[in-house]
Amino acid sequence: DVKVTQSSRYLVKRTGEKVFLECVQDMDHENMFWYRQDPGLGLRLIYFSYDVKMKEKGDIPEGYSVSREKKERFSLILESASTNQTSMYLCASSFWTGAIHEQYFGPGTRLTVT
Amino acid sequence: KQEVTQIPAALSVPEGENLVLNCSFTDSAIYNLQWFRQDPGKGLTSLLLIQSSQREQTSGRLNASLDKSSGRSTLYIAASQPGDSATYLCAVNSEYNTDKLIFGTGTRLQVFP
Repeated sequence: DVKVTQSSRYLVKRTGEKVFLECVQDMDHENMFWYRQDPGLGLRLIYFSYDVKMKEKGDIPEGYSVSREKKERFSLILESASTNQTSMYLCASSFWTGAIHEQYFGPGTRLTVT
Repeated sequence: KQEVTQIPAALSVPEGENLVLNCSFTDSAIYNLQWFRQDPGKGLTSLLLIQSSQREQTSGRLNASLDKSSGRSTLYIAASQPGDSATYLCAVNSEYNTDKLIFGTGTRLQVFP
């Protein structure tokens, strides 16, 4: 089974802190993604990466950066956390096989910024 | 711009009922459509993936259909159980940008005993 793990299930940080959210997948997938999920807004893509050291902005990249130094690990960085970044953060990885491009998700990190 | 809509937003049914969840999308140029399940406070679990060339996929009591030309998919759940209670999300990726999934806002299902 594909396994996507995230470093924390719950995290509480103060405004202005630098925050690291880590995601690891064990299936050698090329693509990895970071989403945030908010009530009424659904899932929105923050950043994705299709290879080591490669990254692409998603729909809402402002206030975030990412790092992918190894294929299995994709980190989301909040340079200076703000209260409007309180949210559920979901990591995913995906692979291609034939005509299928399927995403697998981690358990999520509930981040609260106070 | 692709938009994905799910109706109804919430559904409450007694155990044993067969039910249908609906998903519609505005741009029919999709590559795949995925149905996910999300339990409260948890991540997403992939249930079914339908390729654009397929009409349906089945897994156990779940059956997902796809009508690409009309921009619609349905998730059919047979003989619902309380353990099916969750939020169900559908998502599509475009033929032109297959990396990005566009999600609907989900249908929150409650099955009561």
